[in-house]
Amino acid sequence: GAVVSQHPSRVICKSGTSVKIECRSLDFQATTMFWYRQFPKQSLMLMATSNEGSKATYEQGVEKDKFLINHASLTLSTLTVTSAHPEDSSFYICSASRLAGGLTGELFFGEGSRLTVL
Amino acid sequence: AQSVTQPDIHITVSEGASLELRCNYSYGATPYLFWYVQSPGQGLQLLLKYFSGDTLVQGIKGFEAEFKRSQSSFNLRKPSVHWSDAAEYFCAVGYNFNKFYFGSGTKLNVKP
Repeated sequence: GAVVSQHPSRVICKSGTSVKIECRSLDFQATTMFWYRQFPKQSLMLMATSNEGSKATYEQGVEKDKFLINHASLTLSTLTVTSAHPEDSSFYICSASRLAGGLTGELFFGEGSRLTVL
Repeated sequence: AQSVTQPDIHITVSEGASLELRCNYSYGATPYLFWYVQSPGQGLQLLLKYFSGDTLVQGIKGFEAEFKRSQSSFNLRKPSVHWSDAAEYFCAVGYNFNKFYFGSGTKLNVKP
């Protein structure tokens, strides 16, 4: 199956610093990638939809200036948590879709990145 | 608004017993339906999906799910659970070309 790789898998940073998380589709081109946030023992919350070559679309309540998303190529999307604070600590998961015949394709998920802000 | 409901937060079954995890959705049109499994600290793995056609779909690891339009449900089943099936299971609804929403998840424990 398709592979989506996320890096880093774990990151610890000091409050006030910025952290970048990469999401790569390794064996297919993904025009659309999605970023999710998962709080402990909770479901995935869609943060934003990342479209190659255009601005990301953020879900209601997600601060676009806090969570910067860049989708510079068909295989790479990045999420930058700017001026991170302890409440930003979470498990961030990216996913990519490979369209099949014009239908909605399944989502392929990265391994997730656990961010801890001290 | 679209929503996905998984009414069971935790389920415990004995190894070898059958399993059914419930999922209900709220959406105007026929959605695309998925079940994913997540092991601790890991990403999500697709178990199966329904786009159209036969309402009983087979997935990996012996799982199956049945789409029932009249009940707006897409329940996941397995006839005989293995200890390695212990994980968290998420039902998801896709629409609008890949926008997905997830249920709150059901954590499965398997007793030896």
